[in-house]
Amino acid sequence: DAGVIQSPRHEVTEMGQEVTLRCKPISGHNSLFWYRQTMMRGLELLIYFNNNVPIDDSGMPEDRFSAKMPNASFSTLKIQPSEPRDSAVYFCASSLRPWDRGNQPQHFGDGTRLSIL
Amino acid sequence: SQQGEEDPQALSIQEGENATMNCSYKTSINNLQWYRQNSGRGLVHLILIRSNEREKHSGRLRVTLDTSKKSSSLLITASRAADTASYFCATDKGLNTDKLIFGTGTRLQVFP
Repeated sequence: DAGVIQSPRHEVTEMGQEVTLRCKPISGHNSLFWYRQTMMRGLELLIYFNNNVPIDDSGMPEDRFSAKMPNASFSTLKIQPSEPRDSAVYFCASSLRPWDRGNQPQHFGDGTRLSIL
Repeated sequence: SQQGEEDPQALSIQEGENATMNCSYKTSINNLQWYRQNSGRGLVHLILIRSNEREKHSGRLRVTLDTSKKSSSLLITASRAADTASYFCATDKGLNTDKLIFGTGTRLQVFP
C-alpha cells in the first residue's frame, strides 16, 4: 500500500518567492497533519485537518503560511512570501481516527527539505 | 513548549547491547506513542501505550508507562546497527483530539 506521499522532496528557492508543498495522505485516513522540523525547535505541529476541515492552526507561524485540504486525498501548505528562516523539513502525516477513540498512530511522509536563500 | 523530553539526548552502544530511552511529560495523557526516525526519512510509529497500561511489548521493543511519575521508557533489546535512528515520544496532553506533542528525541547510534 502506498504511504503518505509528499512533493517535492527538495525545494530551493530565493526569499520572497511563493512555495507550495503538496501531500497525498493514505487512502481512507480522515486526519491530516503538517509539521515542521528544525534542529533548534524540533518537530512542531503547524496545522491539522479532520475530514478536510482545519481543526487547529495555532502552530502556523504567521499569515505568510496557509494550508488547504480541498478533498480527502490532497493537501497543500503554502508560504508566501518565503523567508530564509522558513528553511526546514516539512512533514505531512495522516491517521485514521475512529469517532469514539483517542488519537491514533500517525503515518508520516518522507518530508520536503526546504531551503530559502 | 515541549510536552515530552527524552533522556538521554544521545546514546551510543555496541550491537547486541540493550538501549533504554526515557521520556518525561508534564500533563495528564490518554496515551503515549513512540516513533523512530531514520536519517532523511519521516517518523515511523513504533508503539502506542494507553494511560491504563503499564507495559507493552512489540518484538524487541518494551515500553513502560508510569503515570504517577509522568514518565515512559523504551527498551530495545539486542540492538542492531539498523536500530540507529532518533527516537521520539509523543503525547496527547489528555485532550480528546488528534493533536500530538512530540519530544526532543534521543539519537541512538549502534556500532557493529
